[in-house]
Amino acid sequence: DQQVKQNSPSLSVQEGRISILNCDYTNSMFDYFLWYKKYPAEGPTFLISISSIKDKNEDGRFTVFLNKSAKHLSLHIVPSQPGDSAVYFCAATRMDSSYKLIFGSGTRLLVRP
Amino acid sequence: NAGVMQNPRHLVRRRGQEARLRCSPMKGHSHVYWYRQLPEEGLKFMVYLQKENIIDESGMPKERFSAEFPKEGPSILRIQQVVRGDSAAYFCASSAGGNSYEQYFGPGTRLTVT
Repeated sequence: DQQVKQNSPSLSVQEGRISILNCDYTNSMFDYFLWYKKYPAEGPTFLISISSIKDKNEDGRFTVFLNKSAKHLSLHIVPSQPGDSAVYFCAATRMDSSYKLIFGSGTRLLVRP
Repeated sequence: NAGVMQNPRHLVRRRGQEARLRCSPMKGHSHVYWYRQLPEEGLKFMVYLQKENIIDESGMPKERFSAEFPKEGPSILRIQQVVRGDSAAYFCASSAGGNSYEQYFGPGTRLTVT
């Protein structure tokens, strides 16, 4: 039972353009959604989060959009930079489940110079 | 401003041996989570601990795996009688607790069972 899904295993984008990473979920009880970035042989790095009561959160080049009716969220990176090349994980959590994170399988982003 | 520390970074064990993985949370954090990442998969929750208490171990395999977070010292994830299927990257994350849901991850321990 995969509650959080990232259906695109990889994405390639030209430097300077927008990167859009997508994530779908099945459990309408999630309270928060988070995006992490991971380089090889390193731990995930927290990027940005959004509460389930919001539909948008922005932090610099990163914006997360939440569509609760569609159970879908997306991460926009504008403009994309070669250093953004990494694996991006979407995660979801609930306050009444100890805030343990449920992760998607990740999307590998390649930003071409 | 030390982040989450994990050691060792790499651990090789023969089948049947024990593996001990250590995690020191960020300064000021008293909540620790352990996750496992198998090759080409996402991270899977294993266990959530606070000092001297296991809060949620719903993701832990029933046998051979145990975790602790003593009053003093790091959190330890212990795997007894390792098998090849235990080969994975094990990540520890810490949070401030309370209403804080954001978790910050360590660099991971890569366990290889030969």
